[in-house]
Amino acid sequence: NTVMTQSPTSMFTSVGDRVTMSCKASQNVGINVGWYQQKTGQSPKRLIYWASNRDTGVPDRFTGSGSGTDFTLTISNMQAEDPAIYYCLQHNSYPWTFGGGTKLELK
Amino acid sequence: QVTLKESGPGILQPSQTLSLTCTFSGFSLSTYDMGVGWIRQPSGKGLEWLANIWWDDDKYYNPSLKNRLTISKDTSNNQAFLKITNVDTADTATYYCARIEDWELRDWGQGVLVTVSS
Repeated sequence: NTVMTQSPTSMFTSVGDRVTMSCKASQNVGINVGWYQQKTGQSPKRLIYWASNRDTGVPDRFTGSGSGTDFTLTISNMQAEDPAIYYCLQHNSYPWTFGGGTKLELK
Repeated sequence: QVTLKESGPGILQPSQTLSLTCTFSGFSLSTYDMGVGWIRQPSGKGLEWLANIWWDDDKYYNPSLKNRLTISKDTSNNQAFLKITNVDTADTATYYCARIEDWELRDWGQGVLVTVSS
């Protein structure tokens, strides 16, 4: 199975900050990675597909990058509505696997 | 507009079979490259992918559940189903279904909480 390791597990940030979180795959997954945002009490929402494609309606402050084993989600200008847990998902091979999540909170 | 809604028993006892239904609209599971996936999330924990079913009836399962899973669909009624046999307390979780587009979990349902308790 492909293990997806996210770091950090949690982080505190301020409005206006640039935030970067990482997702590392235990083997090459190409660009078959998506990023999901889960706010408290809500179901996950896809932000990024195929590693770097932003979903319709997702603010352009969210950027995905990477390929192979190393992936990054960047929020260029943290907003008050962005605190959430962010998950990566690889769909390169079965079983599909999620990272453990990065919990993003405001200071 | 795509919507999905999960339904289930709410609570069941250990060793019983969990039956979940995903009722969706805004897409058809008979469309080429379309799929539905099931994912679960224990309270306060991360996401676990369980199974996918595709437009052509291809099915894929998470081997960690050791052959306890069965996924199926009713294309005419826009539903997908998941059965988990021999449940125990570790299966207590919120269960989500999601539409698969671009080979990813594009649109998610609101989730249904399932509690396994004696």
